[in-house]
Amino acid sequence: GEDVEQSLFLSVREGDSSVINCTYTDSSSTYLYWYKQEPGAGLQLLTYIFSNMDMKQDQRLTVLLNKKDKHLSLRIADTQTGDSAIYFCAETHDYKLSFGAGTTVTVRA
Amino acid sequence: KAGVTQTPRYLIKTRGQQVTLSCSPISGHRSVSWYQQTPGQGLQFLFEYFSETQRNKGNFPGRFSGRQFSNSRSEMNVSTLELGDSALYLCASSYGQASYEQYFGPGTRLTVT
Repeated sequence: GEDVEQSLFLSVREGDSSVINCTYTDSSSTYLYWYKQEPGAGLQLLTYIFSNMDMKQDQRLTVLLNKKDKHLSLRIADTQTGDSAIYFCAETHDYKLSFGAGTTVTVRA
Repeated sequence: KAGVTQTPRYLIKTRGQQVTLSCSPISGHRSVSWYQQTPGQGLQFLFEYFSETQRNKGNFPGRFSGRQFSNSRSEMNVSTLELGDSALYLCASSYGQASYEQYFGPGTRLTVT
């Protein structure tokens, strides 16, 4: 079965890097995702990584995948106030996404 | 290109009633998925459709149903509403049969009183 876990809260100072961690259990997942949700909005696809990759970089975002430990992380460089949101890790299997509970990131001045 | 649109955005219903929510995918996208988001259960998968065929269904009671039309638009229906059905219902679309980029709409906020 699928089970995605992530820490619930992260507080970071503006300009610092944020690292959000996630563990998953379904080793057959082909892709792993990071979504962002701002208050009152839907989910925004931030980035995703194919399971045969170790790292993916996209502007300020860096995704690291450790398949052996089933660990996924998202690093946001130079965190800004607009990065305050809930971040969801997700894995895909049989045409569905299984999400973690979400990490609430608060950026303080 | 317009994003995923969902109507209505907000809805208030009474327990026992039924409701229909609508989702229009991004132009050219043929897969539509539905998710329920609640504070207690988080994001849970309801069902996924591709070319009018349901390919997967989540663990929800039969009161939850859906369909997809030939133009890829999708509807979901909840009958005999319960208080616990109050949630944000999110629709996502993706391009092809095995596309892994799912784009979400803004959701429909359903409140059952």
